[in-house]
Amino acid sequence: AQSVTQLGSHVSVSEGALVLLRCNYSSSVPPYLFWYVQYPNQGLQLLLKYTSAATLVKGINGFEAEFKKSETSFHLTKPSAHMSDAAEYFCAVSPNTNAGKSTFGDGTTLTVKP
Amino acid sequence: GAVVSQHPSWVICKSGTSVKIECRSLDFQATTMFWYRQFPKQSLMLMATSNEGSKATYEQGVEKDKFLINHASLTLSTLTVTSAHPEDSSFYICSATGTGQGNTEAFFGQGTRLTVV
Repeated sequence: AQSVTQLGSHVSVSEGALVLLRCNYSSSVPPYLFWYVQYPNQGLQLLLKYTSAATLVKGINGFEAEFKKSETSFHLTKPSAHMSDAAEYFCAVSPNTNAGKSTFGDGTTLTVKP
Repeated sequence: GAVVSQHPSWVICKSGTSVKIECRSLDFQATTMFWYRQFPKQSLMLMATSNEGSKATYEQGVEKDKFLINHASLTLSTLTVTSAHPEDSSFYICSATGTGQGNTEAFFGQGTRLTVV
């Protein structure tokens, strides 16, 4: 069994400020973890993924996330928010034996204020 | 990364009719495809998993007779919403994993917005 909890359904930051989106997971087997971004009426774009290699994962658009097994967390960060980062963000977990069978968190809406 | 294409991007149909959504892997062989449903302002919920040439495995609570899934080839899976009703209106997204992709992620289609009137 697996599940994802995204703390904070809405996060608002000022342009240039740090972005921190929180994700905690549970999994009965070693997990793969993903962060996706979704713009209105569009599919998902993969930002980054953890697949049991380096625990600090760098993704596209300046995002990164750190896998912390002891905390069962995979928080997403970006040092400096840009207006174009405003979107919906989803954290997802899959078993490492079936990367496609993902369980998604409820999502976090990121608002970036000028 | 690998490309998955969904068609149509949006569709409007009358209540009681059926509608088919296609999901194609354009540059890899998709041994497994997944179908998700997303209601407005909500997360993605897995509906079913299909392996090429096999019957789909449906998640609990998903009506297999209503949501018909076919995965007859390594590049195409289809989801048919039969006798659609307004409550079936939703955003449907497919994803795929396959050979030669390292099997460490799924690749998502761009989604299909279904509106039943």
